[in-house]
Amino acid sequence: GQQVMQIPQYQHVQEGEDFTTYCNSSTTLSNIQWYKQRPGGHPVFLIQLVKSGEVKKQKRLTFQFGEAKKNSSLHITATQTTDVGTYFCVGGSEKLVFGKGTKLTVNP
Amino acid sequence: GAGVSQSPSNKVTEKGKDVELRCDPISGHTALYWYRQSLGQGLEFLIYFQGNSAPDKSGLPSDRFSAERTGGSVSTLTIQRTQQEDSAVYLCASSLSSYGPEAFFGQGTRLTVV
Repeated sequence: GQQVMQIPQYQHVQEGEDFTTYCNSSTTLSNIQWYKQRPGGHPVFLIQLVKSGEVKKQKRLTFQFGEAKKNSSLHITATQTTDVGTYFCVGGSEKLVFGKGTKLTVNP
Repeated sequence: GAGVSQSPSNKVTEKGKDVELRCDPISGHTALYWYRQSLGQGLEFLIYFQGNSAPDKSGLPSDRFSAERTGGSVSTLTIQRTQQEDSAVYLCASSLSSYGPEAFFGQGTRLTVV
């Protein structure tokens, strides 16, 4: 199956700082999905990217899909304590296999 | 129902006993997924169903684990002869099809083997 690597595994920021997590695949992805899991909660779908070079925004969150459809990023501008959680990217696959994710902690 | 429902929400069992976990997906969702999440860890893929068929069972940790889905709806994950290392949160998710567009998760079943 498709293997998608995500970095960093952990990120600690001060409130107000920006945050970015990256996903890379060795193969071309049909699509990529992003999920967020709050501490003690279950993963919640954020967005799906399908098109090469696609950029989508949700308030302070910006999602990008690479031109070659092999990488993706999630950027959060001016983090808030409500952004705390683990962010997962899931490469296009019918198996919906999650990677290790990036755990974000925010210091108020 | 309005969302994915899992039962029980918590289960404490003795080592060696069998347990059955249940997942009720969103009505009309043909794809259903099972994951295991240990404390502070990522989601370990176990198995997925497209309809009643499980195309890939390679994620099941051992032959003590099995899953079935009937009527394209409810799924059960059975763990036989439970071991302490089976203790984790078991999450179920469903989506309209096996390629999404998005998966909806249940609240999970917290399994503790003592």
